[in-house]
Amino acid sequence: ETGVTQTPRHLVMGMTNKKSLKCEQHLGHNAMYWYKQSAKKPLELMFVYSLEERVENNSVPSRFSPECPNSSHLFLHLHTLQPEDSALYLCASSQELIDTQYFGPGTRLTVL
Amino acid sequence: AQSVTQLDSHVSVSEGTPVLLRCNYSSSYSPSLFWYVQHPNKGLQLLLKYTSAATLVKGINGFEAEFKKSETSFHLTKPSAHMSDAAEYFCVVSDYILTGGGNKLTFGTGTQLKVEL
Repeated sequence: ETGVTQTPRHLVMGMTNKKSLKCEQHLGHNAMYWYKQSAKKPLELMFVYSLEERVENNSVPSRFSPECPNSSHLFLHLHTLQPEDSALYLCASSQELIDTQYFGPGTRLTVL
Repeated sequence: AQSVTQLDSHVSVSEGTPVLLRCNYSSSYSPSLFWYVQHPNKGLQLLLKYTSAATLVKGINGFEAEFKKSETSFHLTKPSAHMSDAAEYFCVVSDYILTGGGNKLTFGTGTQLKVEL
């Protein structure tokens, strides 16, 4: 695997389910990001991690819980989501916080 | 505050003809500007990046963009469209430093490029 990978690529869940999205970067980067891409809206930054520490939480509801166990892996834990949370969730990484970000293919999430 | 406006939500061209995707930005400082492309069911791929060096930036797949400060524009062009160029294109500006030290990227709403035979 090269670049930034995300699993699963598609996820359907009920509002009472708990699930997790996984992101892995194979680029040796130090910073990782979660973005939300909703239909007809610009990409929204959700979380930023640098050297496994969260440095930004962009007013995201607590039903989204990120985890960064090491510089190569980033998770987004989901619980009691709402239908309006249905979107494409994109992970990105960069060498340093100020460097160019490289994106994964995304997870298409549908909340029923 | 920074913002990005992509002037066309959809652009349709014939294969072999030029491509022009328009982008205007608003920034309080000297911004970094990017174009990303997103093919169906794929992530965002970086096409090119401007960071205050040469105003004409060359990217991958024959694309280039020109930074015009007086017009606050960063339009994306390609001399000859190919079928494989059909995708969604995002103009992105970065001039805001997040509390934790990173750059905040502000994305445009995207331009869907259609290439016809």
